Order: sequence, then C-alpha cells, then structure tokens
Amino acid sequence: IAGITQAPTSQILAAGRRMTLRCTQDMRHNAMYWYRQDLGLGLRLIHYSNTAGTTGKGEVPDGYSVSRANTDDFPLTLASAVPSQTSVYFCASSAETGLGTEAFFGQGTRLTVV
Amino acid sequence: SQQGEEDPQALSIQEGENATMNCSYKTSINNLQWYRQNSGRGLVHLILIRSNEREKHSGRLRVTLDTSKKSSSLLITASRAADTASYFCAGPQGGKLIFGQGTELSVKP
Repeated sequence: IAGITQAPTSQILAAGRRMTLRCTQDMRHNAMYWYRQDLGLGLRLIHYSNTAGTTGKGEVPDGYSVSRANTDDFPLTLASAVPSQTSVYFCASSAETGLGTEAFFGQGTRLTVV
Repeated sequence: SQQGEEDPQALSIQEGENATMNCSYKTSINNLQWYRQNSGRGLVHLILIRSNEREKHSGRLRVTLDTSKKSSSLLITASRAADTASYFCAGPQGGKLIFGQGTELSVKP
C-alpha cells in the first residue's frame, strides 16, 4: 500500500542523547515536511524539502536537522535532545511544495525527552 | 507565523446539527486546504479550494473562500458522532505548507 511511513512510533529518550526519526514515502513526491504537534499549538513546521538534495527551515527549526539524499527518505535528527522537544512528530509529503497538492501524513512519532 | 487561524478553537454540537469552522489567513494564497485529524492519528486531507473558486462541495462538506477577507469556512452538514475530530486549515507561505491551530469538534450522539 502506497503511503508514508514513520519510525519509531514512540520513543522515550534521555536528555542530551542524539535521535533520528525516520520517514519514508513511496509516492515519488517531490516535497516532504516535518511538523511537531503540541497541545494548543497546532502543527508547526520544523523543516521541509522541495526536492531531493534541498532543504529549508520552517517555523521552529532550532535543535533539529534534516537531510534529503534521495526522493523517498527524509530523516529528522535531534543532535542533543532537550525536554522541550517532547512532542508528537509528523512527517508529510506532497507532489509539490504547498502549491495546491494534497499532503499525505504519516502516523506520527511520539517522543518523550526525560 | 502561522498562515491560518481557526475559529472557534473548540465546538460542541449534537448529532444532526451543522458545524461551521472558520479560518483566517495572513498572506495572499493561491489555494487553501482543510484537513481532519482523529485523536492520536495523522492528518487526512479533506478538500482543497483554489483562489479562483468561491465555494466547493464534497459530500457533506462545503468550503467557501473569500480572498478579499482572507478567510475560509468549512461547513459539515448533518453531523455525525464519527465527525468528532480536529480540523485544520493550511495554506502555502513562501513555498511551505503552514497549518493553523485547529478547531476541535465534538459531536454528541
């Protein structure tokens, strides 16, 4: 079944540790996004990628990095996790970047930093 | 710097009633999208309306767009308990897809 897959589904992480959240899509979409969702704050864009080989900063990029080595994968890395990064993280993809094409979402990664 | 702001933040209605959610946005857009999120799940696309459209229908959903007022509304007619979810508007901003804070809809049976 075509779609977007995130891993892990949940994780408890010690503060200061490094963590990579994985995201893979098989729809050959050009654009991919990482959002975090916190209660009362909706979805906030962390980083995005218009196409393989390019990335850009979203609304809340500090403390996170991404790479887009190929079309399918868009990992999100927390270099040194802090408790304020406790959140639910969603990866999404769309055929084009915010230009009127539907975005497809993964099921999310629930991250707790202690 | 969220592109859309939804109103109300929460809405509670009885089954069979209509639910209306509003979205105001900041910058000019060429399209606006609405998404639904069931508790603990990823978002699912509902409908997209382009800047040259005033109204669009999809089943029990009706979306309007007023570009002069930079606002959109989502109407769910004859609501069902299964419509209970959070609803988000999203629009392009500088090539990125930016979401509002959402409206939490509760439909009581």
